[in-house]
Amino acid sequence: NAGVTQTPKFQVLKTGQSMTLQCAQDMNHNSMYWYRQDPGMGLRLIYYSASEGTTDKGEVPNGYNVSRLNKREFSLRLESAAPSQTSVYFCASSGRQGYQETQYFGPGTRLLVL
Amino acid sequence: SQKIEQNSEALNIQEGKTATLTCNYTNYSPAYLQWYRQDPGRGPVFLLLIRENEKEKRKERLKVTFDTTLKQSLFHITASQPADSATYLCALGGNQGGKLIFGQGTELSVKP
Repeated sequence: NAGVTQTPKFQVLKTGQSMTLQCAQDMNHNSMYWYRQDPGMGLRLIYYSASEGTTDKGEVPNGYNVSRLNKREFSLRLESAAPSQTSVYFCASSGRQGYQETQYFGPGTRLLVL
Repeated sequence: SQKIEQNSEALNIQEGKTATLTCNYTNYSPAYLQWYRQDPGRGPVFLLLIRENEKEKRKERLKVTFDTTLKQSLFHITASQPADSATYLCALGGNQGGKLIFGQGTELSVKP
């Protein structure tokens, strides 16, 4: 099993460009998440999807959109990139193991917006 | 608003000693608390979960305590090793869904 995979690993964008970050999981998890991580700020939730066909905003959704394409895939789109969106983006998924909602993270996408 | 704070300073300890990391929270009543390890350039990896009705949880050299009165969790690594050097994140979870609120992390450095 690959777990959670993310593409691309690195990306440089110019202000105003758009791009989609891809995420896929092969653990048959219902829930998937997108976070951004900035120095000193910890992980902040952008959007999440509790199940296929549903998405909800997290703490910092402005400037982003998401699509839960199917149970495996959850993509994050930046329509018009801004320098403030320079960050490391992590996708995660979770499935219930009894009462545990352990999250499994991908390797991250490092995004630089110039 | 909900707030979660970890040791802001990096923690430097000698190999073999016990490392103790702190996680404090306010304006929240979590149903459970988790600890994750993050190595440079990689995603976080789950270590331990402790529920609101549990005082202590152990796994090998790791021990977590959870005091809902003090609104605090302590994370201990006994007999620390240089391989334990990493950033450790605490995260709070509620009763609805799997959303977590993460602290900013504490960087631990274990010197030989």
